Amino acid sequence: GEDVEQSLFLSVREGDSSVINCTYTDSSSTYLYWYKQEPGAGLQLLTYIFSNMDMKQDQRLTVLLNKKDKHLSLRIADTQTGDSAIYFCAVLPPSGGYNKLIFGAGTRLAVHP
Amino acid sequence: NAGVTQTPKFQVLKTGQSMTLQCAQDMNHNSMYWYRQDPGMGLRLIYYSASEGTTDKGEVPNGYNVSRLNKREFSLRLESAAPSQTSVYFCASSPGTGGTYEQYFGPGTRLTVT
Repeated sequence: GEDVEQSLFLSVREGDSSVINCTYTDSSSTYLYWYKQEPGAGLQLLTYIFSNMDMKQDQRLTVLLNKKDKHLSLRIADTQTGDSAIYFCAVLPPSGGYNKLIFGAGTRLAVHP
Repeated sequence: NAGVTQTPKFQVLKTGQSMTLQCAQDMNHNSMYWYRQDPGMGLRLIYYSASEGTTDKGEVPNGYNVSRLNKREFSLRLESAAPSQTSVYFCASSPGTGGTYEQYFGPGTRLTVT
């Protein structure tokens, strides 16, 4: 089945850019998502990209998709302390009738002064 | 709109006790999901309901049952709780077919089984 992998931890200085990476195995995945989880809260959808796109930009967020390498990244420009959270990559494979998202383990982003 | 709501927020059970986690959504979504989140393991799907009247097993269904009571409500039942079920449980909903399939999450229920 589909597998989604992320590094578990990233530490950046306030004001720098953060890049969170994700790899997946099913090249036929149609939609790919980034979610943010703040301490003690549920997951909040940040952005998504359709598989026929290479890049999507939304204010400080840039999503890059490399379908050949099955690699997805989330870049956060001018990272702030409020960006400290766990970031989950998720993909939507066609298997399962488009009903199930497959999540990575999450990357914990720590922003320090 | 309240979005996805879950009750209770916290619960402590003794081994062998039973309980039902409640979930409701007010977005008229077709699909609903139950996940558990354990440290370092991301989210694992327990059960899902693609539409009202249907339920299917996910990745880790053992020890759980679900009921799609109506389009709004999807409950998760632990019949005989075990310490291995100590986790944070999230309910989610999704519009279903014809959209971008994103899921919207509730705030979670933190369950401890002693």
